[in-house]
Amino acid sequence: GDSVTQMEGPVTLSEEAFLTINCTYTATGYPSLFWYVQYPGEGLQLLLKATKADDKGSNKGFEATYRKETTSFHLEKGSVQVSDSAVYFCALSPLKGSGYALNFGKGTSLLVTP
Amino acid sequence: DAGVIQSPRHEVTEMGQEVTLRCKPISGHNSLFWYRQTMMRGLELLIYFNNNVPIDDSGMPEDRFSAKMPNASFSTLKIQPSEPRDSAVYFCASSPTVEKLFFGSGTQLSVL
Repeated sequence: GDSVTQMEGPVTLSEEAFLTINCTYTATGYPSLFWYVQYPGEGLQLLLKATKADDKGSNKGFEATYRKETTSFHLEKGSVQVSDSAVYFCALSPLKGSGYALNFGKGTSLLVTP
Repeated sequence: DAGVIQSPRHEVTEMGQEVTLRCKPISGHNSLFWYRQTMMRGLELLIYFNNNVPIDDSGMPEDRFSAKMPNASFSTLKIQPSEPRDSAVYFCASSPTVEKLFFGSGTQLSVL
C-alpha cells in the first residue's frame, strides 16, 4: 500500500545549523504529501504540504519540494532555532473510496541546542 | 475556536478494566480520526469516520477495541478488556477538508 519512509532520529543540531530530514514515498498514484510537527505534550499540527509534482510547500522557514522522479519530499530549513525542537512526521494522502486517511511515517525527533 | 478536545488527558487503569476515551471534534468538521502513538510503531490509524459513518476500521487491533460516533460533535474509543500492551497515547483528529487534520492533545493511557 501507499506509505512513507523517513529517516530515523534523533537528530541533534546546534542553533543556526542547516536541517534536512529525508522522506521518501511509495504510492500507486499521485498523492498529496505533508509534513506535520509535534511539539512536546501536544498533538500534531500541519507544517506544510504539496499536492503535485514540483510543488514546494513552505511555512515558518521550512521548505519541502515534491520530487516525483526521486519519490521524495525532504524537509529543509536554513537556520534552525531551539524552538524548532520537536518530532517531525512525513505523511501521504492516498484516496480511499469516499474518504481518505493520511499515512504517517514514524517521525523524526529533532533537538536543537543553544 | 476551542480545537479538538479529548478527555481524559491521562488514564491509569488495571488490566482487564474497561477504558473509554472521548473526543469532541471542531464544529463543522465532517471527518474524525482516531490514531494511536507508541515508540515502537509510531502513529497508527485506528479508525476514521466521515459524516459520522465509519469508513475504515482496518487499523483497529482486535475486537477489544470499538469506536462510535453517535453525532457530529462526539466520538468514543472503548477498550474492553484493557491489556498492558494497549498503553499508548491516543489521538483524535478532525478535518474540514481533504487532508488537513487538526489534532487534539491526546490521552496518555497506562494499563498496569
